Amino acid sequence: DSGVTQTPKHLITATGQRVTLRCSPRSGDLSVYWYQQSLDQGLQFLIQYYNGEERAKGNILERFSAQQFPDLHSELNLSSLELGDSALYFCASSDPSGTYNEQFFGPGTRLTVL
Amino acid sequence: GDSVTQMEGPVTLSEEAFLTINCTYTATGYPSLFWYVQYPGEGLQLLLKATKADDKGSNKGFEATYRKETTSFHLEKGSVQVSDSAVYFCALRNGNDDMRFGAGTRLTVKP
Repeated sequence: DSGVTQTPKHLITATGQRVTLRCSPRSGDLSVYWYQQSLDQGLQFLIQYYNGEERAKGNILERFSAQQFPDLHSELNLSSLELGDSALYFCASSDPSGTYNEQFFGPGTRLTVL
Repeated sequence: GDSVTQMEGPVTLSEEAFLTINCTYTATGYPSLFWYVQYPGEGLQLLLKATKADDKGSNKGFEATYRKETTSFHLEKGSVQVSDSAVYFCALRNGNDDMRFGAGTRLTVKP
């Protein structure tokens, strides 16, 4: 158990809809990262937040947005969903003061868009 | 920018065979290097790590050595088990930059 929690575990929705994925980082970690893993297994970095502020942006679509709240949990909002958005969405957290800067991953949310 | 290239899979081995999954990187400075493992239906777990040249990371019988001269961090295990079947990701992180992952290598170990 990495200490990172994600809800829901599974989400099935229709095209055009909007969903919110939630992530709680490990206790004490200030950074949260979001990744998308497509069926061909590639991991795409979407966005990073550090202590409530956006720190880095990757291949995140304009239809997607995220935020990190004062209690450090984070939400990833996906809107105008398309079939191609079906994927596993992972959240990870890290402690920037950690020696090795490794990231700890949650179990993921599997999104299916029908 | 920084990047990681790892051996394409899938890799299929018999139990007790020797495993090597190649990983090379491109980065400025001295990144930290990682191997993550993803078992079926689960998230990524850190397998091992190394932070400087010639460091050897090891865990669960897996090893990888940080080779700056060849910019490599190959994953090895002397005798794989069926339970090692998973997808393996090589990754690097340079300072506080975001982590860069390789494409992943799927390993299947047959009894």
